[in-house]
Amino acid sequence: NAGVTQTPKFRVLKTGQSMTLLCAQDMNHEYMYWYRQDPGMGLRLIHYSVGEGTTAKGEVPDGYNVSRLKKQNFLLGLESAAPSQTSVYFCASSVPGEGPHEQFFGPGTRLTVL
Amino acid sequence: GQNIDQPTEMTATEGAIVQINCTYQTSGFNGLFWYQQHAGEAPTFLSYNVLDGLEEKGRFSSFLSRSKGYSYLLLKELQMKDSASYLCAVLDSNYQLIWGAGTKLIIKP
Repeated sequence: NAGVTQTPKFRVLKTGQSMTLLCAQDMNHEYMYWYRQDPGMGLRLIHYSVGEGTTAKGEVPDGYNVSRLKKQNFLLGLESAAPSQTSVYFCASSVPGEGPHEQFFGPGTRLTVL
Repeated sequence: GQNIDQPTEMTATEGAIVQINCTYQTSGFNGLFWYQQHAGEAPTFLSYNVLDGLEEKGRFSSFLSRSKGYSYLLLKELQMKDSASYLCAVLDSNYQLIWGAGTKLIIKP
């Protein structure tokens, strides 16, 4: 099993450009998440999904959109990139409900916006 | 607001014991997680506490006091490979994880 994979691993954008980050998981998890990680700050939730066809906003959703057309995939879109979106983006997945349901993370995408 | 505090950086010696503290103030509590993150890599799960007390898993132990909003991660017999950031995260009333900024642990020979 590959677990959680992310593409691309690195990307450099110019201000105003758009791009889509792809996350895929092969663990049949219901829940999927997109986080950003910036120096000196905790992981911040951008958007999440509790199942195929559903998405919800997290703590920092502005400037991002998401789609979950298939259970195994969760896409994060930047419509018009800004330098403030320079960050490391992590996708994660988990099973739902109470208990020690750990989140499994992908390797991350390092995005620089010039 | 919701807040999780942990020290920014700690230094310890190979073979020693280190305790990383985490205090939290969140809207609800449904469990506390510790994750390890090596530089340039993804976080990986270490431990989960939902009841007060100590959970031991090999060289790593995690403690929780819900009344004090406090947890610690105890690492014994430190090895160089333990050099990493340790992230504390609380599952709030909406079952969302609230993350601390992480503690960077430096191990010296």
